[in-house]
Amino acid sequence: ETGVTQTPRHLVMGMTNKKSLKCEQHLGHNAMYWYKQSAKKPLELMFVYNFKEQTENNSVPSRFSPECPNSSHLFLHLHTLQPEDSALYLCASSQEQGFGYTFGSGTRLTVV
Amino acid sequence: AQSVTQLDSQVPVFEEAPVELRCNYSSSVSVYLFWYVQYPNQGLQLLLKYLSGSTLVKGINGFEAEFNKSQTSFHLRKPSVHISDTAEYFCAVSGMNQGAQKLVFGQGTRLTINP
Repeated sequence: ETGVTQTPRHLVMGMTNKKSLKCEQHLGHNAMYWYKQSAKKPLELMFVYNFKEQTENNSVPSRFSPECPNSSHLFLHLHTLQPEDSALYLCASSQEQGFGYTFGSGTRLTVV
Repeated sequence: AQSVTQLDSQVPVFEEAPVELRCNYSSSVSVYLFWYVQYPNQGLQLLLKYLSGSTLVKGINGFEAEFNKSQTSFHLRKPSVHISDTAEYFCAVSGMNQGAQKLVFGQGTRLTINP
């Protein structure tokens, strides 16, 4: 248990489905992040939320829609995904500058 | 903006041998530096970090790293590796001037320990 919990751990969805990924932290952190990790590619920052406000959208396609209802919860809503969206999606949280991130275990997403 | 280059995509070593994983960064401002480890099918775990002070930083699992400002490097070392150290290792940097800190990660180095 890392302090950041992601559900589900694995998800298989069709290209016409709608699903959501959930991330939860009870570390008292102010910032939360979504990263995409694909095979043979660097970690890609997708979204940053700071005190529930989105502070960064790294040119992510609109088929990915984040939601941060409070500082402890972060969602990633998925719809009409493509096979190339198959990846490990990692959530992380952080407190003050310089303390580093705490990562969740990730959701392994497969789009068929 | 910051960037990170991990010079080796794969590093194979024998058990109980020493290892060094190389990391160079680029930044126009002062930085914080981190090393993370990722075991198969898991998220990333913080190994160690450099914030300020002593340039030699010790982390978990017997790893250490040395910050070299003149060479803009933050190489990770372990004097004697174990099979359990087999994993992917990521170097990361963030600028000291950033609020909600934004970590920039390197491409990762896959460390494989052979018996």
